[in-house]
Amino acid sequence: QQPVQSPQAVILREGEDAVINCSSSKALYSVHWYRQKHGEAPVFLMILLKGGEQKGHDKISASFNEKKQQSSLYLTASQLSYSGTYFCGTELGSNFGNEKLTFGTGTRLTIIP
Amino acid sequence: EAGVAQSPRYKIIEKRQSVAFWCNPISGHATLYWYQQILGQGPKLLIQFQNNGVVDDSQLPKDRFSAERLKGVDSTLKIQPAKLEDSAVYLCASSLGTSSGNTIYFGEGSWLTVV
Repeated sequence: QQPVQSPQAVILREGEDAVINCSSSKALYSVHWYRQKHGEAPVFLMILLKGGEQKGHDKISASFNEKKQQSSLYLTASQLSYSGTYFCGTELGSNFGNEKLTFGTGTRLTIIP
Repeated sequence: EAGVAQSPRYKIIEKRQSVAFWCNPISGHATLYWYQQILGQGPKLLIQFQNNGVVDDSQLPKDRFSAERLKGVDSTLKIQPAKLEDSAVYLCASSLGTSSGNTIYFGEGSWLTVV
């Protein structure tokens, strides 16, 4: 069951904020966030586990809404280096995960000076 | 710490030919994954190994794709015969344990073009 990401693409000026959403129609156990630059490997950002937690480092943070089966990635005061395609990977499960990560179609973020 | 190593980085073949990709995971990582990423899409899991056993290969086109992980370390993904729609980046990844709560580290990928 592929998660749905929104928006598909966004263009920001340096210093602006962005929110990327990842939704599932089934119960989520964990959500993994990655950023991929063109021609490079996806780079791990963070994992959120079932429990509605929020994580963050520097100006990138994420939340996990268990009731809505949704995770959101927040990028504040965006920098040029934040440009790339952001993918969420979701693992289904209620009491434990099914150990299968399914990635969304990605959100392309472009930061302009 | 060395990352996930893959080779070759780029390969161009004609349809119906065969190709093989090699992957060396991060040392100590028990789980190894092969993903297929078509341009503009998210990575799609082809096969997942736990040590040298297959955990999930439900999305592997077994009539043309095969993969093995001998001795629970390196892995090889083979396509024979290749089709035009196999043009994609093949990403190898590894994690300490299963994907449940564990970080998955990706290699730089092997770019395949089938003409």
